[in-house]
Amino acid sequence: GQNIDQPTEMTATEGAIVQINCTYQTSGFNGLFWYQQHAGEAPTFLSYNVLDGLEEKGRFSSFLSRSKGYSYLLLKELQMKDSASYLCAVRDRGGSQGNLIFGKGTKLSVKP
Amino acid sequence: DTGVSQDPRHKITKRGQNVTFRCDPISEHNRLYWYRQTLGQGPEFLTYFQNEAQLEKSRLLSDRFSAERPKGSFSTLEIQRTEQGDSAMYLCASSLSSLEQYFGPGTRLTVT
Repeated sequence: GQNIDQPTEMTATEGAIVQINCTYQTSGFNGLFWYQQHAGEAPTFLSYNVLDGLEEKGRFSSFLSRSKGYSYLLLKELQMKDSASYLCAVRDRGGSQGNLIFGKGTKLSVKP
Repeated sequence: DTGVSQDPRHKITKRGQNVTFRCDPISEHNRLYWYRQTLGQGPEFLTYFQNEAQLEKSRLLSDRFSAERPKGSFSTLEIQRTEQGDSAMYLCASSLSSLEQYFGPGTRLTVT
């Protein structure tokens, strides 16, 4: 079956660094995505990994290990506006079919 | 604003009624996806179009659900004989080939 696990909630302090982990077991793999979703709003794209290693984009970095079925999202210099849910999603097939399988999301609360 | 629009943003309906939602994707995007999201969960894939062709339907999409994308541009999702379990946020996303998906603001459906 398809399974994506991530912690339900995390709390961190403004200015700090936080790492949100995601493990996955899917029938196939063609890329891992991280999305940010503020309450009541649509998910917005943050990062994409298809090869092992670290992808950095400003304050956000994402890491992938395909052999371990593991990814993390690293948020640096946390700001209050980073309080949101962070969704890990796997695209399990390539070619013409590219729907995403989402985890339940990690609700991050950033405190002053 | 990702450039994907959905209408209406909110819909309250009585059990047994039919409802139709519309999604307008980013104009050059050939792929369009429908997802459903309930509170505390990640989005769940419903169906996917490439241009006007509906290429995949999830088993979550019962016979009461139908989706169209007649000219390969906007799409509609219809739910017939709504049930209380259909209450959810219905999200539309679009992408250019197999690149990242951009989500619309969603239609929140409440079935009373």
